[in-house]
Amino acid sequence: EPEVTQTPSHQVTQMGQEVILRCVPISNHLYFYWYRQILGQKVEFLVSFYNNEISEKSEIFDDQFSVERPDGSNFTLKIRSTKLEDSAMYFCASSGGQEGTQYFGPGTRLLVL
Amino acid sequence: TQLLEQSPQFLSIQEGENLTVYCNSSSVFSSLQWYRQEPGEGPVLLVTVVTGGEVKKLKRLTFQFGDARKDSSLHITAAQPGDTGLYLCAGARRYTGNQFYFGTGTSLTVIP
Repeated sequence: EPEVTQTPSHQVTQMGQEVILRCVPISNHLYFYWYRQILGQKVEFLVSFYNNEISEKSEIFDDQFSVERPDGSNFTLKIRSTKLEDSAMYFCASSGGQEGTQYFGPGTRLLVL
Repeated sequence: TQLLEQSPQFLSIQEGENLTVYCNSSSVFSSLQWYRQEPGEGPVLLVTVVTGGEVKKLKRLTFQFGDARKDSSLHITAAQPGDTGLYLCAGARRYTGNQFYFGTGTSLTVIP
């Protein structure tokens, strides 16, 4: 069964460093998303991406964040200068349609020291 | 402000009991999903409901979407220890983009 994959599973970084989180969405999906979940809190939407551009973003997704689909399979989230409060699980998701069911990856646990 | 409120937040029951988890909102959703999340893992899809009044069954799990598409429920019959986990509802709102709004989650523990 097709699934969303994410790498790395864990990332530890120093405050101020750049990190890139990688995702491989389900191959025939067209809509891609990033969410985050701070420990003990609910899953929060960051950004959605369609047709090689951002279609929607939340207030969390500030200028420190960017997304890219560098090739036909990968979808990346870059945090330019990490802050302590960026520590969270980051989930990638993909769907076949705009309001279609979203399938989530296993997540990347980011720890900013 | 929580768009989707889940209740109860925590639930601990004995094996064999029945339970219902609620997901409520004052907003209308074009679809609503139920996920189950294990610690340190991503949400795993259980079901999607799209039509008001729709009922879907997945073995011992019964999902219902409210007639007005503002609420949903998850009913588990004869709970088993393997049902233990965090249950999340997530809704998509038409005309406001395609982000999912997640509920606060219900942490279920089924005691053998």
